[in-house]
Amino acid sequence: ILNVEQSPQSLHVQEGDSTNFTCSFPSSNFYALHWYRWETAKSPEALFVMTLNGDEKKKGRISATLNTKEGYSYLYIKGSQPEDSATYLCAFRSGGYQKVTFGTGTKLQVIP
Amino acid sequence: DTGVSQDPRHKITKRGQNVTFRCDPISEHNRLYWYRQTLGQGPEFLTYFQNEAQLEKSRLLSDRFSAERPKGSFSTLEIQRTEQGDSAMYLCASSNIRGPGSYNEQFFGPGTRLTVL
Repeated sequence: ILNVEQSPQSLHVQEGDSTNFTCSFPSSNFYALHWYRWETAKSPEALFVMTLNGDEKKKGRISATLNTKEGYSYLYIKGSQPEDSATYLCAFRSGGYQKVTFGTGTKLQVIP
Repeated sequence: DTGVSQDPRHKITKRGQNVTFRCDPISEHNRLYWYRQTLGQGPEFLTYFQNEAQLEKSRLLSDRFSAERPKGSFSTLEIQRTEQGDSAMYLCASSNIRGPGSYNEQFFGPGTRLTVL
């Protein structure tokens, strides 16, 4: 059983604040790390696929970094907006396996 | 809309009844996945298909659960003799192993929320 952990479980920030959360995963046999955003009543939306140690990806105000040697990824949101309110999920895929293992998610609420 | 669709979006049933959910993947995607998500947890893998072949099943998929993808397009997930513990969000996702950036990026449907009374 692969252990993928996310912290914090939930987060409340004021509009305009920047924030970040963590995904921890096994450091051995790494293949890919996915980040998803899941808004209530909608489909989970893919944000990033990260594959190489040291990867940094950016999409608008959201960015992510990856450290495969120590087994963590950070997701950053700069200048949070109410529309960023969602659950952010990371999913780890190890080499040779098709399934991904999800973390429990970080639920972000941005207060106007 | 050419995304992944699921039907129904919500299902309320009584314990002991059978239920069936449908997933229509993105049309050119050859892989289809089923996940279950319960409160406070991330989605848990149940099973996946490549075309019509069911290639992997989780131990979570008891013998009351069966999934099919008869023509390699849509899939159904059936739960027989439902129990209250089956109450969850059932998510479907699809991917294309031959697609660009093929790190198995999965595209999700909106889910079917099952409530067993």
